Amino acid sequence: AQRVTQPEKLLSVFKGAPVELKCNYSYSGSPELFWYVQYSRQRLQLLLRHISRESIKGFTADLNKGETSFHLKKPFAQEEDSAMYYCALRAYGGSQGNLIFGKGTKLSVKP
Amino acid sequence: KAGVTQTPRYLIKTRGQQVTLSCSPISGHRSVSWYQQTPGQGLQFLFEYFSETQRNKGNFPGRFSGRQFSNSRSEMNVSTLELGDSALYLCASTTGSAGGKDTQYFGPGTRLTVL
Repeated sequence: AQRVTQPEKLLSVFKGAPVELKCNYSYSGSPELFWYVQYSRQRLQLLLRHISRESIKGFTADLNKGETSFHLKKPFAQEEDSAMYYCALRAYGGSQGNLIFGKGTKLSVKP
Repeated sequence: KAGVTQTPRYLIKTRGQQVTLSCSPISGHRSVSWYQQTPGQGLQFLFEYFSETQRNKGNFPGRFSGRQFSNSRSEMNVSTLELGDSALYLCASTTGSAGGKDTQYFGPGTRLTVL
């Protein structure tokens, strides 16, 4: 079954510390993976997607097919990174794809 | 450039009724996708439309349907409302171009309450 697991509901780090938000997936096909972010009282945003191999706001994520993971990392956390982060997997059944979200991790960056 | 707009912003319905929500994408965007957000289930993908055709679909019952018009505006309809349909319904738009380079923009959502 296709599934996205974000094992931490809440992650708390201090400003300047490295942060890693974990995401594991279960999917037999070739995965398309995404990270979304929702800041307090703001609209949901697409943060990054693995296909673009981009770095947004200092965040990067590498797809590890062997470990079926797509962890989100930032070397030095900032207070403005505090938000809800969702990992998502595009899974195809036939010609159409479903986008499956993890339950989310709330990141709190303390001063 | 105006952002993604959704109407209405708030809606109260009773069980058994039907509801139609509207989403106006950013000008020039041809893809619109819909999502349901609830405290219990989190974020769930409903469907995506591109140039008036459904391109992707989530695992929702047939009571949930959508469509896209030639001007890219989209509507989603929920028939025979159930209490569990109470949620924030989000839509998002992108240009829909291949290659994964386009940015996705979300609307503010429509808060649906089913009594």
